[in-house]
Amino acid sequence: ETGVTQSPTHLIKTRGQQVTLRCSSQSGHNTVSWYQQALGQGPQFIFQYYREEENGRGNFPPRFSGLQFPNYSSELNVNALELDDSALYLCASSLAGLAGVPPYNEQFFGPGTRLTVL
Amino acid sequence: QKEVEQNSGPLSVPEGAIASLNCTYSDRGSQSFFWYRQYSGKSPELIMSIYSNGDKEDGRFTAQLNKASQYVSLLIRDSQPSDSATYLCAAGNTGGFKTIFGAGTRLFVKA
Repeated sequence: ETGVTQSPTHLIKTRGQQVTLRCSSQSGHNTVSWYQQALGQGPQFIFQYYREEENGRGNFPPRFSGLQFPNYSSELNVNALELDDSALYLCASSLAGLAGVPPYNEQFFGPGTRLTVL
Repeated sequence: QKEVEQNSGPLSVPEGAIASLNCTYSDRGSQSFFWYRQYSGKSPELIMSIYSNGDKEDGRFTAQLNKASQYVSLLIRDSQPSDSATYLCAAGNTGGFKTIFGAGTRLFVKA
């Protein structure tokens, strides 16, 4: 079984630039969620993708966008980077099952991408 | 009001003791609850999930859920120094498309 992978591991950008982060789902999973984790905080939900469509979104502006591909891998794009975007970006994959039947969205995280905006 | 609240700690327990971690949530529609362990500089690791009221045991870990009180807890028996980490509580909404995490509780297990 292949776990969740993310690339790159670290990234340094300057304010105003754009960045693309990548994630490969765990084998057998069909759903990907992205989170932003600032130092000392819990992960903050950005959005979730299922069947290549955005399935839910947290309180993040439209400059945060994503894609999911037919092989269930995913990208997170952030435009017009701001200093506050500096954080650990986590991708989590899960298997969407039958409604009302557990397990519900048990998510497994990748190692994360550390983004620094200068 | 934060959607998922945890005591930030740090919680310090001696080796071999029981560590008790607590969490409350505000969305009564939440139907799935998770505990993750996160070591410094690493990503969260799922250690327990619970969906029904009551207790769920897995090895040294016991998760407890009380939906009426909107309360979730994690007990770690026979705590080991390797259990020292931040423990994140999370609640999933109906439909499972949004999971809200607490800020985490730092646990230190003293040898």
